[in-house]
Amino acid sequence: NAGVTQTPKFRVLKTGQSMTLLCAQDMNHEYMYWYRQDPGMGLRLIHYSVGEGTTAKGEVPDGYNVSRLKKQNFLLGLESAAPSQTSVYFCASSAWETQYFGPGTRLLVL
Amino acid sequence: SQQGEEDPQALSIQEGENATMNCSYKTSINNLQWYRQNSGRGLVHLILIRSNEREKHSGRLRVTLDTSKKSSSLLITASRAADTASYFCATDPPAGNNRKLIWGLGTSLAVNP
Repeated sequence: NAGVTQTPKFRVLKTGQSMTLLCAQDMNHEYMYWYRQDPGMGLRLIHYSVGEGTTAKGEVPDGYNVSRLKKQNFLLGLESAAPSQTSVYFCASSAWETQYFGPGTRLLVL
Repeated sequence: SQQGEEDPQALSIQEGENATMNCSYKTSINNLQWYRQNSGRGLVHLILIRSNEREKHSGRLRVTLDTSKKSSSLLITASRAADTASYFCATDPPAGNNRKLIWGLGTSLAVNP
């Protein structure tokens, strides 16, 4: 059981570039989440999904899009990266109450 | 928006001492959870306490919940250097919230050898 995996681990982008972060889970969880973590701001929910084919906005969705075409995968896209999107991104999944986190993707936008 | 507020923001203790951190929240909950985050890593679930429970233990961890004061505390007994991490509380609001947890800002714990 790999749990929750995220790729890539680290990425540097230039302003205006686009990229996709991939989250995969092998626990057959229905719920998946994308968070960003910034110093002093804790975890902020970007988008989430309550099942395959569904997505919903979280607290800070602007500038991001997501897709959940397969139950095990949850993709986070940055359409046109901005320096304000420099952050550590965490994916999580859950079956019910407890969330299981991936190791994170560190993104630097120059 | 953040509901939980951890206190203190940072805590430094010696190995073998007990560490206590607190969490306050604003609305009603189904349960409250504590997570640990080692530097540069993802969060790991530690313990969950339901709204009808007052105290729960797991190894060296003891969690209390006071729903009348909307607060919880996490006690780590006989701390070790490996306990150095950030600790977050997260509340699970009543049904209809699509299992979205509401996170506090965390307490940074340093256990000195």
